[in-house]
Amino acid sequence: EVQLVESGGGLVQPGGSLRLSCSASGFTFSNYAIHWVRQAPGKGLEYVSAISHNGGSTFYADSVKGRFTISRDNSKNTLYLQMSSLRAEDTAVYYCVKTGGITYDYWGQGTLVTVSS
Amino acid sequence: SYELTQPPSVSVSPGQTASITCSGDKLGDKYACWYQQKPGQSPVLVIYQDNKRPSGIPERFSGSNSGNTATLTISGTQAMDEADYYCQTWDSTIVVFGGGTKLTVL
Repeated sequence: EVQLVESGGGLVQPGGSLRLSCSASGFTFSNYAIHWVRQAPGKGLEYVSAISHNGGSTFYADSVKGRFTISRDNSKNTLYLQMSSLRAEDTAVYYCVKTGGITYDYWGQGTLVTVSS
Repeated sequence: SYELTQPPSVSVSPGQTASITCSGDKLGDKYACWYQQKPGQSPVLVIYQDNKRPSGIPERFSGSNSGNTATLTISGTQAMDEADYYCQTWDSTIVVFGGGTKLTVL
């Protein structure tokens, strides 16, 4: 069974930093690109970042470019999102999402990040 | 930047057919997929590559994509289908979501 378990969310002050993790199991992690998608409270889904299967290519939404860094450790089946210079508008549930071809076939349960003083 | 537009809400009576649209420039030239999200839950893929259903998704869910519009159709809508639905496609290397449609079954 495919499982994606996010952790690392919490309350952080504006301008602060936070690192999210996503632990994967039930599939060959190193074969798949993995994405981060977020959802602000009461709002829609927003693509955040993506990383290729081997970590060689990374992509970011304009809203987070230069502030967030995606990475992965295939030996640990773990995905990371280092977030810095956090803003109130970064407040959201952050989902780790596995790609299956050109779609998202499995989603984690999400971890809530709240940016507030 | 590429944009997908969905109606904010759609209402349907139980047993009837619900259609949710997703509009974007030449969307028919791309693949579209659809996700269902119930309150407090993570999204679930219900249609991919325009009209394919993942295993476990009921046959009443179908999709189409042509011209500038992709459509999610739910035939014989049930109360359990009440949820938010999001369309999604790719613009080069970037994933794009529609704003979401709240489906009410009443």
